[in-house]
Amino acid sequence: DAGVIQSPRHEVTEMGQEVTLRCKPISGHDYLFWYRQTMMRGLELLIYFNNNVPIDDSGMPEDRFSAKMPNASFSTLKIQPSEPRDSAVYFCASTAGQTGTYGYTFGSGTRLTVV
Amino acid sequence: GQSLEQPSEVTAVEGAIVQINCTYQTSGFYGLSWYQQHDGGAPTFLSYNGLDGLEETGRFSSFLSRSDSYGYLLLQELQMKDSASYFCAVRVSGFQKLVFGTGTRLLVSP
Repeated sequence: DAGVIQSPRHEVTEMGQEVTLRCKPISGHDYLFWYRQTMMRGLELLIYFNNNVPIDDSGMPEDRFSAKMPNASFSTLKIQPSEPRDSAVYFCASTAGQTGTYGYTFGSGTRLTVV
Repeated sequence: GQSLEQPSEVTAVEGAIVQINCTYQTSGFYGLSWYQQHDGGAPTFLSYNGLDGLEETGRFSSFLSRSDSYGYLLLQELQMKDSASYFCAVRVSGFQKLVFGTGTRLLVSP
């Protein structure tokens, strides 16, 4: 298995631009998570899906952030318009809910820099 | 809300044993997980404790005391490659949601 695949690995954009981050979870995993990591705030859960349905988006910082999961093998996190304070590493993770181990598999992350 | 406390940094030498503690305050606690993250890398799952007691996986062990709202990760026979950040994370509901602590940076020296 190729693991959780995220793209792009790095993204540099100007303030005000739209940014789209992409994630392909592990096949057969029914949970998908989007986390953001910064030095100041650590790993923050933004939103998670179960069977492609958003379950908890309470961590989404504001309306500029949106996430979709149109099918079991693809999810996007969009920021529009982007701001310098959005600079962070964004991780996607997936897990199979029935295993009982509650172990997430994380993707390699997207390092976003907004200038 | 939830809060987790871990030491910010721990240092040790190769071959030693180190314990990383985690205390938590949450509502609806269901279990405690540990993750390892090397600089520039992604977090990787190490262990999960849903019940009190010790779970052992090779050189790593994890312990949970629900009555004390406390857990720890024990790393034995330390190797240089164990230098990384270690995060505890609590499962706070019947769903899969995890809330992560701020992490402990472990530095292993020769």
